[in-house]
Amino acid sequence: DTGVSQDPRHKITKRGQNVTFRCDPISEHNRLYWYRQTLGQGPEFLTYFQNEAQLEKSRLLSDRFSAERPKGSFSTLEIQRTEQGDSAMYLCASSPRLAGGFFADTQYFGPGTRLTVL
Amino acid sequence: AQTVTQSQPEMSVQEAETVTLSCTYDTSESDYYLFWYKQPPSRQMILVIRQEAYKQQNATENRFSVNFQKAAKSFSLKISDSQLGDAAMYFCAYGLGGNTPLVFGKGTRLSVIA
Repeated sequence: DTGVSQDPRHKITKRGQNVTFRCDPISEHNRLYWYRQTLGQGPEFLTYFQNEAQLEKSRLLSDRFSAERPKGSFSTLEIQRTEQGDSAMYLCASSPRLAGGFFADTQYFGPGTRLTVL
Repeated sequence: AQTVTQSQPEMSVQEAETVTLSCTYDTSESDYYLFWYKQPPSRQMILVIRQEAYKQQNATENRFSVNFQKAAKSFSLKISDSQLGDAAMYFCAYGLGGNTPLVFGKGTRLSVIA
């Protein structure tokens, strides 16, 4: 069983450019989460999906950010008109649905995409 | 809103010794979950241990154990027989279960001295 994968692992871009990150969750995990981690901080929640439905977005997710999970499998996170303040590690996590319809409380994290905006 | 506080930015421990990392949290909920995640340098975050708030018994996983004090809203991690591979950032996290995102503390950087 492969873990959560993210692509690219590193991205350097110039201010004002658009970037897109991809996350592939563990197979058959229904829930997919995006977090942002800046230097010296813990991860902060951005948004999450149940299958293809985006259930919640945090106030950190400005209008320049958009996330999709079109077929309920992989997800993309796009940042438009990047700013230097967007420089961070973007983490993806997934969790499975358990027997009985409950969702597991444990989230499994990918290696992250480190974004540097020059 | 729930918050998680890790008051020790850095800790160090001698190899084979025991170290305890502190975590406190704030919530008005009675049923929730607590986690310790480990993030080695340039590597992905992995789950170390989890605790269900409705269980009084402290969770243990091999050399890792927790001291969960629900009334005090405290959740510390004890690492016994520390190994060089334990060196990492450790994050304490809070969750309401599978329906909500996790809330993380700022982390504690643990160094293990040979």
